Amino acid sequence: EAGVVQSPRYKIIEKKQPVAFWCNPISGHNTLYWYLQNLGQGPELLIRYENEEAVDDSQLPKDRFSAERLKGVDSTLKIQPAELGDSAVYLCASSLGENTGELFFGEGSRLTVL
Amino acid sequence: QKEVEQNSGPLSVPEGAIASLNCTYSDRVSQSFFWYRQYSGKSPELIMSIYSNGDKEDGRFTAQLNKASQYVSLLIRDSQPSDSATYLCAVNTPNYGQNFVFGPGTRLSVLP
Repeated sequence: EAGVVQSPRYKIIEKKQPVAFWCNPISGHNTLYWYLQNLGQGPELLIRYENEEAVDDSQLPKDRFSAERLKGVDSTLKIQPAELGDSAVYLCASSLGENTGELFFGEGSRLTVL
Repeated sequence: QKEVEQNSGPLSVPEGAIASLNCTYSDRVSQSFFWYRQYSGKSPELIMSIYSNGDKEDGRFTAQLNKASQYVSLLIRDSQPSDSATYLCAVNTPNYGQNFVFGPGTRLSVLP
């Protein structure tokens, strides 16, 4: 069974440019998470979806970040415009449902903003 | 005070020794506790989960939970160089919408 798939793996852009990341969770996983991980730090939650509903987006910087999961399956995270401080790894994770314990992570999308 | 705290390390142990990794959390009503391993340049992977006070053993790994002290630890017996990685403590906490809150991670280096 395929794991969580993310693309692109790497992205280099100049500041003020837009960027989008895509995630396809494990089949049947209703809960999808986007995390941001800076070097030497743990993942920090950006947004959590239960099916197509964003149940927690309190940590998402809504002035420049947006996300969608229109059909409750794959998801897109967008940054527009990107800033230098957005350079990080963006991790997507999925789980069977709320409180079911294990998160399965994708390989991540490493963003470098120049 | 951060929600989940860990010593950042690096923690260096010789091959064959016991590595002890510690984690404290601030939300007293947290219910579920997890240890993830993250190799350099890779994504985190779950190695242990624990829900009740006491010890839980799985092979060379033992997770220990003390809810009264708000403390969870991971012991790795017979440490191997392949155990060298960053170990992330994660807590599922109702006060954060049942989200998984991660600590900063402890970098472990097992020396041959």
